[in-house]
Amino acid sequence: AQSVTQPDIHITVSEGASLELRCNYSYGATPYLFWYVQSPGQGLQLLLKYFSGDTLVQGIKGFEAEFKRSQSSFNLRKPSVHWSDAAEYFCAVGARNDYKLSFGAGTTVTVRA
Amino acid sequence: DVKVTQSSRYLVKRTGEKVFLECVQDMDHENMFWYRQDPGLGLRLIYFSYDVKMKEKGDIPEGYSVSREKKERFSLILESTSTNQTSMYLCASTPPGQGSNQPQHFGDGTRLSIL
Repeated sequence: AQSVTQPDIHITVSEGASLELRCNYSYGATPYLFWYVQSPGQGLQLLLKYFSGDTLVQGIKGFEAEFKRSQSSFNLRKPSVHWSDAAEYFCAVGARNDYKLSFGAGTTVTVRA
Repeated sequence: DVKVTQSSRYLVKRTGEKVFLECVQDMDHENMFWYRQDPGLGLRLIYFSYDVKMKEKGDIPEGYSVSREKKERFSLILESTSTNQTSMYLCASTPPGQGSNQPQHFGDGTRLSIL
């Protein structure tokens, strides 16, 4: 079964600074990988996904993520953070033969002025 | 846009009560999911359904059951609530695909408190 680790529980970043959120997964084959964002009081919204092909994927809100098979990682980045990016971010992994996703514990991002 | 609607945003119940959490999606999706979200644990799958009247247990089904009588509606049932079921409950849906390659669309969640 697949699993996900998000090593950082909480990150604080200044507005305008860059952001990187880490995600490590465990799965025997090529996984399906996702990043979701949850703003306070809301459900999860898909930021981006990776299935195959180009290992650098672009998402909404200016986010990108890079799949590195050798490191079993799928880190999320944004070059310049806006105050509206304050939220909780979840990495998730899925498989070709299963409907289910496994989610990480989440990383809370605080943006300071 | 896909709309996944959960019937209640906040619920407060007493231990031992029976609780129904309702979820409706408007995009004719085959697959529907119920998760609970707890701080530090992320989302954990309770049950999912891949068709009407079909269901499968997720990772933490104990204390829960589900019902899917119509394609658009997926209900989570807590037969006799306990305080450890205080949590945020999230519903999601996806169309059919190859495994989990279809992104899940989430409702806004129901925050359930059991006193």
